[in-house]
Amino acid sequence: GAGVSQSPSNKVTEKGKDVELRCDPISGHTALYWYRQSLGQGLEFLIYFQGNSAPDKSGLPSDRFSAERTGGSVSTLTIQRTQQEDSAVYLCASRADRGRWETQYFGPGTRLLVL
Amino acid sequence: GIQVEQSPPDLILQEGANSTLRCNFSDSVNNLQWFHQNPWGQLINLFYIPSGTKQNGRLSATTVATERYSLLYISSSQTTDSGVYFCAVSYQKKSSGDKLTFGTGTRLAVRP
Repeated sequence: GAGVSQSPSNKVTEKGKDVELRCDPISGHTALYWYRQSLGQGLEFLIYFQGNSAPDKSGLPSDRFSAERTGGSVSTLTIQRTQQEDSAVYLCASRADRGRWETQYFGPGTRLLVL
Repeated sequence: GIQVEQSPPDLILQEGANSTLRCNFSDSVNNLQWFHQNPWGQLINLFYIPSGTKQNGRLSATTVATERYSLLYISSSQTTDSGVYFCAVSYQKKSSGDKLTFGTGTRLAVRP
């Protein structure tokens, strides 16, 4: 079946602008994650959604970052007033929930460049 | 939080050679995954292996949870095996999700 998809693939923006990144998880997967891969910090967790539970936002680096998940499916990560240090690859992952631990599957990522 | 260390950081192989990549982690885990990041940046699942041994073609992995390490074996390496290999772990408690903590990766280059 279809994997995790993300859009856009690449985004170039100017410092101070807002950006929205989209993630479509694998159909039926109830858990959704956002991670970020940057040169200085490696791969790091940002936020986690599981069903109707309150999201785990513990990895968001600042209050300029927010995310929502509508209808338990598509998720949008929003970065307000972008800074150059926000430049990174933003990765989305999803996981099934069958009452046991499962593999997380990653999308191709959105490459964000803040000029 | 859990610390994840991978070794070696860089590895150069001649095509056909075998290799072992190591992942050490600092605490109990109930999720451990190995990924290959290809030159286009895509993270490809290799193994979900919180314990035990698995094999998939030329690749195999072993996790010894009690000793807090995992090994990824690549046999008869091919140029297409080049890229970065990541180990990622999580420990899920009732109060938190199974967010993955990644190691810094092993960068593998296979020469023809």
